Amino acid sequence: ILNVEQSPQSLHVQEGDSTNFTCSFPSSNFYALHWYRWETAKSPEALFVMTLNGDEKKKGRISATLNTKEGYSYLYIKGSQPEDSATYLCAFRTGGYQKVTFGTGTKLQVIP
Amino acid sequence: DADVTQTPRNRITKTGKRIMLECSQTKGHDRMYWYRQDPGLGLRLIYYSFDVKDINKGEISDGYSVSRQAQAKFSLSLESAIPNQTALYFCATSDPNRGGGYTFGSGTRLTVV
Repeated sequence: ILNVEQSPQSLHVQEGDSTNFTCSFPSSNFYALHWYRWETAKSPEALFVMTLNGDEKKKGRISATLNTKEGYSYLYIKGSQPEDSATYLCAFRTGGYQKVTFGTGTKLQVIP
Repeated sequence: DADVTQTPRNRITKTGKRIMLECSQTKGHDRMYWYRQDPGLGLRLIYYSFDVKDINKGEISDGYSVSRQAQAKFSLSLESAIPNQTALYFCATSDPNRGGGYTFGSGTRLTVV
């Protein structure tokens, strides 16, 4: 069983604060790392698909970095807004058989 | 219309009943998946299909079966529902040529009483 860990489990920040969370994954047999945003009562939506060591992706105020050699990815949110409140999931995809393992998510609440 | 449509959205069923959850997609993807989500656990793979003739068990397939009726349709059945199958179920598709990121359906909340 592949271990994908996300930290922290939950986070409360004030509107306007910047924040970041971590996804840790095995450093071997890497194919891709996905980030998803999951709002309550909706389905997870893909934010980023990252495939190369050193990748940096950005979408508006949200960005992510990837280190496949040490097995971690960071997701950053700059100037958090209440609409950023959601659970952020990462998923690690292996090469070859392409098994995908999801983390349990970081639940972010942005307080107005 | 949504790219991945699941029906029903919510269902309450009794222990021992057979139930089918349906999924259809308009993405044109060959790969389709069924996941379940339980509080405190990550999404766990039940079954996956890489094309119409290819069906594979995931990590928690016991008590479930699937049917891939067409490229666009992938249904999940619980032959004899039990209370610990109460969960949120997601269907998803992916395109391996674009890093394999998933497009999820809206989910089916199933309660077995």
